[in-house]
Amino acid sequence: DTGVSQDPRHKITKRGQNVTFRCDPISEHNRLYWYRQTLGQGPEFLTYFQNEAQLEKSRLLSDRFSAERPKGSFSTLEIQRTEQGDSAMYLCASSFAPGTYPEQFFGPGTRLTVL
Amino acid sequence: AQKVTQAQTEISVVEKEDVTLDCVYETRDTTYYLFWYKQPPSGELVFLIRRNSFDEQNEISGRYSWNFQKSTSSFNFTITASQVVDSAVYFCALSDGYGGSQGNLIFGKGTKLSVKP
Repeated sequence: DTGVSQDPRHKITKRGQNVTFRCDPISEHNRLYWYRQTLGQGPEFLTYFQNEAQLEKSRLLSDRFSAERPKGSFSTLEIQRTEQGDSAMYLCASSFAPGTYPEQFFGPGTRLTVL
Repeated sequence: AQKVTQAQTEISVVEKEDVTLDCVYETRDTTYYLFWYKQPPSGELVFLIRRNSFDEQNEISGRYSWNFQKSTSSFNFTITASQVVDSAVYFCALSDGYGGSQGNLIFGKGTKLSVKP
């Protein structure tokens, strides 16, 4: 399967703990995106990378959030000192852009529950 | 400011009925892309269609069709002869810039479609 994969699929943690999620994009894609989705809402953009470079960060991405894509392949999203408001589905997507076919392909998501 | 509005929060139809999902967008860019995604109960977003701002041709794919009208800033999605498997949340999304060069997608809040047998 050459789709976008995310690990873990589910994470339950206690408030104040740190968590890290991993995303493996489609191999030929140069861009990797992170979104957050809460119940009943559409996904909200957090940040994206083009190769290794982090090109844009949303103001939703507080100082407790950090993302990396060290070799331009997989990416990690870390949340430090988790809060109950961080509970959400974290989605990763990849694409080849800019180009004629800029659609983003999404992974299955990591559902975070902060107790 | 960029914005996508899906005014219909939930729609319920009986199998074989036709249904149209509305999407209205706002952008100041002259070059942009519009997308529809499907999110079934399993949760994974599935790409359905892309349309760029220079191509106003309507598209049909099987039971699905899309109507793009720049004059009304709308990109509506019609399912003909709906089936139970069409039950999902459908999202309309916008990306500015050539080839999606602006990066992020701006999503609407989604329309939950329930198709009853």
